[in-house]
Amino acid sequence: QVQLQESGPGLVKPSETLSLTCTVSGGSVSSGSYYWSWIRQPPGKGLEWIGYIYYSGSTNYNPSLKSRVTISVDTSKNQFSLKLSSVTAADTAVYYCAQESKYGSGFNYWGQGTLVTVSS
Amino acid sequence: ETTLTQSPAFMSATPGDKVNISCKASQDIDDDMNWYQQKPGEAAIFIIQEATTLVPGIPPRFSGSGYGTDFTLTINNIESEDAAYYFCLQHDNFPYSFGQGTKLEIK
Repeated sequence: QVQLQESGPGLVKPSETLSLTCTVSGGSVSSGSYYWSWIRQPPGKGLEWIGYIYYSGSTNYNPSLKSRVTISVDTSKNQFSLKLSSVTAADTAVYYCAQESKYGSGFNYWGQGTLVTVSS
Repeated sequence: ETTLTQSPAFMSATPGDKVNISCKASQDIDDDMNWYQQKPGEAAIFIIQEATTLVPGIPPRFSGSGYGTDFTLTINNIESEDAAYYFCLQHDNFPYSFGQGTKLEIK
């Protein structure tokens, strides 16, 4: 059973860069069978897909966030990461990482999420 | 972009009830619809794939129906452990999008 665990600062200042890491256990980010995604949910709002990375490094981002998002993968640590630049209060959310089959069938496994608050 | 309209936002049920949760897509997404269950502080669980297929290990009281633009998650013979937040996901086109979610309370 694959398990994903998000980690990173819970508080980020406006205009700075939000950085989160997802550690994968029970599976490998080097597997060519999966995409590795980030998703977020602002308080009281719906979920928003941020983007994904493939083990090769290829990425696909939500156009609404594309100019500020970078997702990377570290196969040596079995982790993948999210960076979101120039954050504002609107980026306050619970951030989730998830695994998706490369056949594009949606998310098989999710992390439990981590709350990131943007505030000075 | 595909918008998903999920309803109701909140519902209350009694053990043994049958409940339906609806998810309507703004355009045809074939059967590229998944359903998930999430409890507070826990990871979301994948319960229905491709609109109608029960994910292995999920109790058969859960079922999904629909194709194209209208989809339904049905829970038969509700149990107290089914109290959770349920949401739909379309994976037909990018950006993937989600319904607004349904909070199910068990009396």
